[in-house]
Amino acid sequence: KQEVTQIPAALSVPEGENLVLNCSFTDSAIYNLQWFRQDPGKGLTSLLLIQSSQREQTSGRLNASLDKSSGRSTLYIAASQPGDSATYLCAVGANNLFFGTGTRLTVIP
Amino acid sequence: DVKVTQSSRYLVKRTGEKVFLECVQDMDHENMFWYRQDPGLGLRLIYFSYDVKMKEKGDIPEGYSVSREKKERFSLILESASTNQTSMYLCASTEGARAYGYTFGSGTRLTVV
Repeated sequence: KQEVTQIPAALSVPEGENLVLNCSFTDSAIYNLQWFRQDPGKGLTSLLLIQSSQREQTSGRLNASLDKSSGRSTLYIAASQPGDSATYLCAVGANNLFFGTGTRLTVIP
Repeated sequence: DVKVTQSSRYLVKRTGEKVFLECVQDMDHENMFWYRQDPGLGLRLIYFSYDVKMKEKGDIPEGYSVSREKKERFSLILESASTNQTSMYLCASTEGARAYGYTFGSGTRLTVV
């Protein structure tokens, strides 16, 4: 069964810093990898989708990479802002979607 | 943009009640999913459906059932609610080709007392 791990579980950074969130998965037979953002008590908002044939995707200050052979993905956030404070979840899609438990990010003004 | 709408943001139900959680998507997606999310456990798949009237068990189907009579609507049913079903429930949909991403609803926070 696919297992998805996110490290660190929590991260605090001062505003303006660049940061990297990590995601690893055990089974490389995936259709895609998706990064989500979740604010407290809310649903999931999709940030980036990387299809299995792709190596990275960018949206604004966010860049996600995918290395299927090593079972890793990273989410890079440039010039962090207090509004980026949220929990970030990665999920890998095969027949279903398998989630990590997330990284709770706090950006300190 | 595709929308996935969950009918209730918050619900409080009594133990033993039959509970219906409704989810509607507006982009003709074939696949729909129900997850529950609990602190420290992450999101866990309860049931999913690849077509009308079709359903498949996920990782934690016990105590739940589902109904998909129309393509746009996927209902999660708690036959007899129990306190251990207190959780955040999230519905999602995706197109038939699974290389495409998932879209989630805003969630239903269910409390069983």
